[in-house]
Amino acid sequence: TQLLEQSPQFLSIQEGENLTVYCNSSSVFSSLQWYRQEPGEGPVLLVTVVTGGEVKKLKRLTFQFGDARKDSSLHITAAQPGDTGLYLCALKTSYDKVIFGPGTSLSVIP
Amino acid sequence: KAGVTQTPRYLIKTRGQQVTLSCSPISGHRSVSWYQQTPGQGLQFLFEYFSETQRNKGNFPGRFSGRQFSNSRSEMNVSTLELGDSALYLCASSLVLRQTNSPLHFGNGTRLTVT
Repeated sequence: TQLLEQSPQFLSIQEGENLTVYCNSSSVFSSLQWYRQEPGEGPVLLVTVVTGGEVKKLKRLTFQFGDARKDSSLHITAAQPGDTGLYLCALKTSYDKVIFGPGTSLSVIP
Repeated sequence: KAGVTQTPRYLIKTRGQQVTLSCSPISGHRSVSWYQQTPGQGLQFLFEYFSETQRNKGNFPGRFSGRQFSNSRSEMNVSTLELGDSALYLCASSLVLRQTNSPLHFGNGTRLTVT
């Protein structure tokens, strides 16, 4: 069974600080997606990473896919209160199921 | 373009009852999948429908069932409700049966509380 782990589970930081959250898989995966879920809403796709070693930037968010294709990280620069939410990584299994990690709950304090 | 619509938004039921949740996907999307989200277990895959056929199923008991209509709208049903079924139920649609990079578009969910 393929498992996804995310760390840290909770993160509370001051506005303007930088942070990194991690997603690790028990086995190699072909692609990985990052979603953000705000309170009371469904998850929204941020990015899909496909190639080992790939780095993608979305404004202040930087996503990296590990060379071994078993891990990924999300780095946020100068966090803002609008970044508050649950960050979820997800991957597609060989059986076409999309499984999600447990998420990192981020709180950015003004 | 309207997003994924889930109804109702909130629901309170008692143990033993049954419940039906509805999901209308984005126009043109033919794949609809359902997830259960709880604080302890996170987002767990329930099942996926494409062209009115269930294509994938998660590890949930038979009390959880679903269906998809010809217009791609989907319903999920939970019978003989248990306290542990209290959760946020999320529906997601995608343009095709999930391919590697096909994004999921989620609705805002139905919050089910079982008392």
